Amino acid sequence: AQKVTQAQTEISVVEKEDVTLDCVYETRDTTYYLFWYKQPPSGELVFLIRRNSFDEQNEISGRYSWNFQKSTSSFNFTITASQVVDSAVYFCALSEAGGNKLVFGAGTILRVKS
Amino acid sequence: DAMVIQNPRYQVTQFGKPVTLSCSQTLNHNVMYWYQQKSSQAPKLLFHYYDKDFNNEADTPDNFQSRRPNTSFCFLDIRSPGLGDAAMYLCATSGVRGNTEAFFGQGTRLTVV
Repeated sequence: AQKVTQAQTEISVVEKEDVTLDCVYETRDTTYYLFWYKQPPSGELVFLIRRNSFDEQNEISGRYSWNFQKSTSSFNFTITASQVVDSAVYFCALSEAGGNKLVFGAGTILRVKS
Repeated sequence: DAMVIQNPRYQVTQFGKPVTLSCSQTLNHNVMYWYQQKSSQAPKLLFHYYDKDFNNEADTPDNFQSRRPNTSFCFLDIRSPGLGDAAMYLCATSGVRGNTEAFFGQGTRLTVV
């Protein structure tokens, strides 16, 4: 069975601090996909990144970076120099190859204070 | 420009009164999904369509039905809403199964009174 664990329920930081959101996953599949989504107060889930199981390269996009480590089944997300607009709920998710079901973690509420 | 549009954004319905939520997409994606998200919880997949093929999750209550009359539109019908069905309902689309990102609408927040 697939499972995604986001152990941090809520994180509060002050603007300009760096923050890392943890994600640990479980799957028996050898091919799978990992995602991060942001859910601002408006409600829609905004896609941030997709990573397939064969690509362990870390990725950086502006202030966002992701660290994928298959050895520890983790796919962590770091925001550098956080801003108030980063305040949202962040979900890590997993899907199997050829499947349709996104299995979400419980989400981490990030609060960035000015 | 919104690519997945859900109407209405907020819906209030009476206990037991059928309600329909709608979703449209401009992406021409094959797959459309309905997720239920209760307060402070993760979204949970109810069902999805791959083109016209309907795929129900095993634990989705019979009270929930769906229709997809064409590529662009998908509807969620709740036949007899109960208080426990109050939630945010999220529609999403993706180009192919599994290995591409899903694009989500803004959701419809359903209140049952």
